[in-house]
Amino acid sequence: GQNIDQPTEMTATEGAIVQINCTYQTSGFNGLFWYQQHAGEAPTFLSYNVLDGLEEKGRFSSFLSRSKGYSYLLLKELQMKDSASYLCAVMDSNYQLIWGAGTKLIIKP
Amino acid sequence: GAVVSQHPSWVICKSGTSVKIECRSLDFQATTMFWYRQFPKQSLMLMATSNEGSKATYEQGVEKDKFLINHASLTLSTLTVTSAHPEDSSFYICSARDLGSGDSYEQYFGPGTRLTVT
Repeated sequence: GQNIDQPTEMTATEGAIVQINCTYQTSGFNGLFWYQQHAGEAPTFLSYNVLDGLEEKGRFSSFLSRSKGYSYLLLKELQMKDSASYLCAVMDSNYQLIWGAGTKLIIKP
Repeated sequence: GAVVSQHPSWVICKSGTSVKIECRSLDFQATTMFWYRQFPKQSLMLMATSNEGSKATYEQGVEKDKFLINHASLTLSTLTVTSAHPEDSSFYICSARDLGSGDSYEQYFGPGTRLTVT
């Protein structure tokens, strides 16, 4: 079966750095997405990785290792507004997104 | 760019009635639109994939006669919840794939519609 695993909840301090991990087992791979979702709102796109390595975009970076079926989202200089759920999703061989359950990130002052 | 709208943003209806939700891609063409449902504190659940000009493909366990999907144009897809029941109360989100997004197949999400059935 297809499976995406990510921690249910994480807590971090304002101004710090946090890494959210995602491991996956899917039938085929056509890229991995990270989305941010605030409570009661739709997801917003953060990053897309299809090749191994690190993609940096401002305070957010995303890493992918296809051989390990592993990705992480790195958030630097955390701000209170970063409190949200972070969803990992993998596009399988049918170009369909397989979603993780999301990681709720709590930022404390 | 790449904005997706949904209407209405929230709706309350009585049990047994039908509700139509619209999803529009405002500044791009979308051959494929996706309908998701999300219950509180849970992840997105894909309900169906909607392709312009053809019948929608429903996920296992989703009743196609209850959740009617119409994708009449490259910018509009509608989801109609027929004979709604309280258990249909949920957050319904659509997304659209941009024809011109190259290889990323990125999906752009609408703001969601919160349905409450009383």
